[in-house]
Amino acid sequence: DTAVSQTPKYLVTQMGNDKSIKCEQNLGHDTMYWYKQDSKKFLKIMFSYNNKELIINETVPNRFSPKSPDKAHLNLHINSLELGDSAVYFCASSPGSSDEKLFFGSGTQLSVL
Amino acid sequence: GENVEQHPSTLSVQEGDSAVIKCTYSDSASNYFPWYKQELGKRPQLIIDIRSNVGEKKDQRIAVTLNKTAKHFSLHITETQPEDSAVYFCAASIGGNKLVFGAGTILRVKS
Repeated sequence: DTAVSQTPKYLVTQMGNDKSIKCEQNLGHDTMYWYKQDSKKFLKIMFSYNNKELIINETVPNRFSPKSPDKAHLNLHINSLELGDSAVYFCASSPGSSDEKLFFGSGTQLSVL
Repeated sequence: GENVEQHPSTLSVQEGDSAVIKCTYSDSASNYFPWYKQELGKRPQLIIDIRSNVGEKKDQRIAVTLNKTAKHFSLHITETQPEDSAVYFCAASIGGNKLVFGAGTILRVKS
C-alpha cells in the first residue's frame, strides 16, 4: 500500500546502455515529478506532469524521456547512459501544483560504470 | 533568477540544544516554503511548511518563520534528539509550478 512506488531500487549498468525507471502513485494525485539527487545531495527537478501533460521540462539532455501513460504513472527512460548520469532519481507526486506537499518515492540509485 | 540559498551546510549540536537553519530566496512571487527531512538512505519527507500570508508556524518541537520583506525563512528545532539527525532541505515555489530546493543542511545531534 505504498503511496509512491518506484522500481528498481538499484540500477547498475554500463555506459551507453538504455534503461527505464518506473513510478506509480496510488494517492489520486494530479501531478507527478522526477527529481535528480546528485552525490552532494542536491535535489533538482527534471520533469513534472499534470494529468499526463508535460508541465515542466528543465534543462535536461534529450537522452532523458519521461512518459506518462496515465496520471498515476510516470516513467523515465534514459538513452545512451553516461557516467554523469549516476545519481539517485526520485519520483514524487502532489495533489495539484507544486505549491503543495510532495510525496516522494523511495528513490532509484543509478550507477553507470 | 531561481535561487534558494541555504545555510549552514553542516550543523552539529548537543542533544537538547536548539538548531536553526536559514534560507533565502530570490523570487519575490514565491508564496510556498516547505521543509523536508531526509534520513540516510531514505526519501525526503515534508516536516513543516508555511505560506506567504503567515509569518510563523509551529508544530511541537519544530517551527518555521518567514520574513517576506527580506526574502528569508528559517527552521527552528528545539530540544534536539539523536533521531533529528538527517539532511534538511528548504524549498521555495517558483513561477507557481515548481519547487526549487536549497542545497541541504546536514544536522548531527550528538548525545
